[in-house]
Amino acid sequence: SQQGEEDPQALSIQEGENATMNCSYKTSINNLQWYRQNSGRGLVHLILIRSNEREKHSGRLRVTLDTSKKSSSLLITASRAADTASYFCAFKAAGNKLTFGGGTRVLVKP
Amino acid sequence: DAGITQSPRHKVTETGTPVTLRCHQTENHRYMYWYRQDPGHGLRLIHYSYGVKDTDKGEVSDGYSVSRSKTEDFLLTLESATSSQTSVYFCAISESRLGQDQSPLHFGNGTRLTVT
Repeated sequence: SQQGEEDPQALSIQEGENATMNCSYKTSINNLQWYRQNSGRGLVHLILIRSNEREKHSGRLRVTLDTSKKSSSLLITASRAADTASYFCAFKAAGNKLTFGGGTRVLVKP
Repeated sequence: DAGITQSPRHKVTETGTPVTLRCHQTENHRYMYWYRQDPGHGLRLIHYSYGVKDTDKGEVSDGYSVSRSKTEDFLLTLESATSSQTSVYFCAISESRLGQDQSPLHFGNGTRLTVT
């Protein structure tokens, strides 16, 4: 079973709206990463937030991390059709392993 | 895009046959990984390599073996394919060991394997 959960599983929005997805985990972590996967392609790294950071920005992406709640959120602002993809969180717990969440499928309608 | 090539991109094989998937990188990264992606399970680590001839098991290694004879190539072999191994297989690389330097993974575009 996965140690990470993402919600919602799917999200449909209009172009220009914001998209927010959440990731929860159960163990202590060193860092948490977000990846994007376009249909038929591999995952692409978006952003990494360390356990001692609370918020990080990269372009239209904003990631927050609340280690007390063991959760993270990814916000995509002013979404575009090209943001249509699946988004995965991944976290590094103890040992040499990166655990991935189940993903959120985002559809941005033009 | 990171220089990672997976071959073949698609394969259909019969139960009981051996199958080898290849991952080739041009980044000279030390660490290489094989994941499988299945609905409801996300990505799960099969095996990884931390150098030439140095490999270790991941969380779903049963039925799989790997070899790394050169820095740039990491092979995944299904000794006797089963229907439960129908999946999309992804190779990934990283410059540093996961966690120590918190380096991200770079993924190939996957191999879709169907075992009939």
